[in-house]
Amino acid sequence: SQTIHQWPATLVQPVGSPLSLECTVEGTSNPNLYWYRQAAGRGLQLLFYSVGIGQISSEVPQNLSASRPQDRQFILSSKKLLLSDSGFYLCAWRGSSYGYTFGSGTRLTVV
Amino acid sequence: GESVGLHLPTLSVQEGDNSIINCAYSNSASDYFIWYKQESGKGPQFIIDIRSNMDKRQGQRVTVLLNKTVKHLSLQIAATQPGDSAVYFCAEIPWAGNMLTFGGGTRLMVKP
Repeated sequence: SQTIHQWPATLVQPVGSPLSLECTVEGTSNPNLYWYRQAAGRGLQLLFYSVGIGQISSEVPQNLSASRPQDRQFILSSKKLLLSDSGFYLCAWRGSSYGYTFGSGTRLTVV
Repeated sequence: GESVGLHLPTLSVQEGDNSIINCAYSNSASDYFIWYKQESGKGPQFIIDIRSNMDKRQGQRVTVLLNKTVKHLSLQIAATQPGDSAVYFCAEIPWAGNMLTFGGGTRLMVKP
């Protein structure tokens, strides 16, 4: 069966520090992968998506970047975090069906 | 979309009552619709889906209704329970499309 792993679950980082959030998918190959951000009490904002290794599309220009070094690995990064980067980050994958499967999320607090 | 930055509307219902959560979509080419449930601190989870060639689909205690004429989607939850308290998102995808577009979400609060 397919599973998606996202870590860490929570993270507190100082302003100006780097960020690396990792998402991996098991049990599927060549999935479409997505990074979303969700501010408290708000909707889902698509940040990046990838249809294959090394292929990244950015939906919102910002302080973040994404990479897909392997077929089932999707990484969200920042060189210098801002206070406004705080939020709930969700990774999702889509295989052959239409729906997305979401990871459990990372709560990032920038202080 | 613009709804990302808005506070989620809230629906408050009494335990045992039926809940109806509504969603409007704008893309007439949307072919597939999904309802997700997101509990606090967790990722969204699939509840039920419906294709555009249907107008109703039932699951366990949930029913999704699709009205393509007015581009409206609704989720009905029968005999709402405290465990149903969550944020509910609708999502749509066009035929042969690659991207789900999410609605703004509705917070459901169940009063005991």
